[in-house]
Amino acid sequence: DSGVTQTPKHLITATGQRVTLRCSPRSGDLSVYWYQQSLDQGLQFLIQYYNGEERAKGNILERFSAQQFPDLHSELNLSSLELGDSALYFCASSVAGVHNNEQFFGPGTRLTVL
Amino acid sequence: LAKTTQPISMDSYEGQEVNITCSHNNIATNDYITWYQQFPSQGPRFIIQGYKTKVTNEVASLFIPADRKSSTLSLPRVSLSDTAVYYCLVGVPLGSARQLTFGSGTQLTVLP
Repeated sequence: DSGVTQTPKHLITATGQRVTLRCSPRSGDLSVYWYQQSLDQGLQFLIQYYNGEERAKGNILERFSAQQFPDLHSELNLSSLELGDSALYFCASSVAGVHNNEQFFGPGTRLTVL
Repeated sequence: LAKTTQPISMDSYEGQEVNITCSHNNIATNDYITWYQQFPSQGPRFIIQGYKTKVTNEVASLFIPADRKSSTLSLPRVSLSDTAVYYCLVGVPLGSARQLTFGSGTQLTVLP
């Protein structure tokens, strides 16, 4: 158990819909990262927050957005969903905001868009 | 376009040493190289991290040449439970910023 929790574990929805994925980092970790893992694209970095502020942005679509709240939990919002958004979404946390600190990954949320 | 590449798959036998190499020819100057292990339907798990030369911990060693354009993860005496996908993670320059980039992953299969 990494100490990072993600909810829900599974999500099934339809094209055009909007969903919210939630992540609680390990106690004491200030950084939260979001990743997408699909069969054809591998692990893709989406975005990083550090202590409530956006720190780095990766291959995140404009239809996707994220935020980190004062209690340090984070949410990833996916809207106007398409079939290609079906993937595993991982959240990770680390102590500091510097890239490549040891990151602790959650169990992931599996999103299926029908 | 800079890429972070790894062999797609490797087979080994129990008790052997396994070396997996990642090529990252455009790594950001101040970034570390980090390796993760992933089992099916689980999140990646940290193995080891280094900046240059050699780093060793209780489970693996990491070799990084002076130009830092590649790195080699070494797993000593693998067991069946080491069967997993192994990823390298580096930061690459993207304009004035840096972007975290995973390698494509190497499926290691350990045979009895």
